[in-house]
Amino acid sequence: ETGVTQTPRHLVMGMTNKKSLKCEQHLGHNAMYWYKQSAKKPLELMFVYNFKEQTENNSVPSRFSPECPNSSHLFLHLHTLQPEDSALYLCASSQDWGTGEAFFGQGTRLTVV
Amino acid sequence: KNQVEQSPQSLIILEGKNCTLQCNYTVSPFSNLRWYKQDTGRGPVSLTIMTFSENTKSNGRYTATLDADTKQSSLHITASQLSDSASYICVVSARNSGNTPLVFGKGTRLSVIA
Repeated sequence: ETGVTQTPRHLVMGMTNKKSLKCEQHLGHNAMYWYKQSAKKPLELMFVYNFKEQTENNSVPSRFSPECPNSSHLFLHLHTLQPEDSALYLCASSQDWGTGEAFFGQGTRLTVV
Repeated sequence: KNQVEQSPQSLIILEGKNCTLQCNYTVSPFSNLRWYKQDTGRGPVSLTIMTFSENTKSNGRYTATLDADTKQSSLHITASQLSDSASYICVVSARNSGNTPLVFGKGTRLSVIA
């Protein structure tokens, strides 16, 4: 285990549904990240939070909405998604933004139908 | 533009054989380079990290090399096992970058067969 836990592991949702992905880290890290991994593509950074403040939003559509209530928890709220949003969503954390090793969760496999 | 290119895209080898994966990068200024192993449907796990001054680093049957002059790295796997079947991702970190400091390669998909 890497110390980063994601739930759920698998999620199937309709395009009109609203769901949330959860990430929790027990490493005392200050930075947390959401990545999207589509088939045959490199990991794409979506959001970065450093000390609970969003420091980066890589032109992600508004149907993805992150929330970081504290430095240990990170959420990704999903609504009115499209089938092309189906992917593996990975959460990661590091000691500080851009430094130290990034520890990844197991990911949530999302399928939009 | 900061980029990380990996080759080959995929590789199939027999159990017990050795293999070498390649990573070329254009990330600047360079901070460090990591190799991650990602099993199917799971999150990446770090294998090695190398800084500018390090040429070689080993982790069991995994040996990573770094040539900072040519901006190339390799990951050598010795005496491969079935459990080595995974994607291997090269990640380069940019020092003091105004944008995201982690640049990911697309990975090499390794399949070890009996």
